[in-house]
Amino acid sequence: DGGITQSPKYLFRKEGQNVTLSCEQNLNHDAMYWYRQDPGQGLRLIYYSQIVNDFQKGDIAEGYSVSREKKESFPLTVTSAQKNPTAFYLCASSSSPLAGGYEQYFGPGTRLTVT
Amino acid sequence: QKEVEQNSGPLSVPEGAIASLNCTYSDRGSQSFFWYRQYSGKSPELIMSIYSNGDKEDGRFTAQLNKASQYVSLLIRDSQPSDSATYLCAVKDSGYSTLTFGKGTMLLVSP
Repeated sequence: DGGITQSPKYLFRKEGQNVTLSCEQNLNHDAMYWYRQDPGQGLRLIYYSQIVNDFQKGDIAEGYSVSREKKESFPLTVTSAQKNPTAFYLCASSSSPLAGGYEQYFGPGTRLTVT
Repeated sequence: QKEVEQNSGPLSVPEGAIASLNCTYSDRGSQSFFWYRQYSGKSPELIMSIYSNGDKEDGRFTAQLNKASQYVSLLIRDSQPSDSATYLCAVKDSGYSTLTFGKGTMLLVSP
């Protein structure tokens, strides 16, 4: 089955620790995205990548880092510099936005709780 | 700052009725528009995309776009309790390959 997987589903960390969220897709999509969603809020873009080895900051990149070493994978690291990391993190992909494929498809998400 | 506005709701409709969800956007250059459905605790699911002015129908769903008024809507005919969810409007940012999302409208369909 083609799709996007995110792991783990739930993640608990202590304040001051870095944590890496996994996102893998087997849809052969060029572009991948990371969003966070807070209760009652829309999705806010953290980082996105349109091709391997390239990525751009979104609206709320501070305190986060990413890498895109493989087309299938786009891990997100939440660093200790992120002031309010507790949120629902969503990974998405789209086929080929540089050629007009803008529909984004989402993984199941990771709920991160930092105490 | 690009904005996508939706009424937060909840919008309550009885089973079998037509639900009308609305969205306005600020980026006049936007050309691509999307509706997502998000059940509580789950991730968003793409249900419709629309690129041209007018109506686009897919089963019980109809998306309507009016670029001059910067307005896009989603109609759900014969609403079912299983349609109860939050509906997110997303607009492609002009000049970029990213989407800006509204905060969503909660729809409640009562049996």
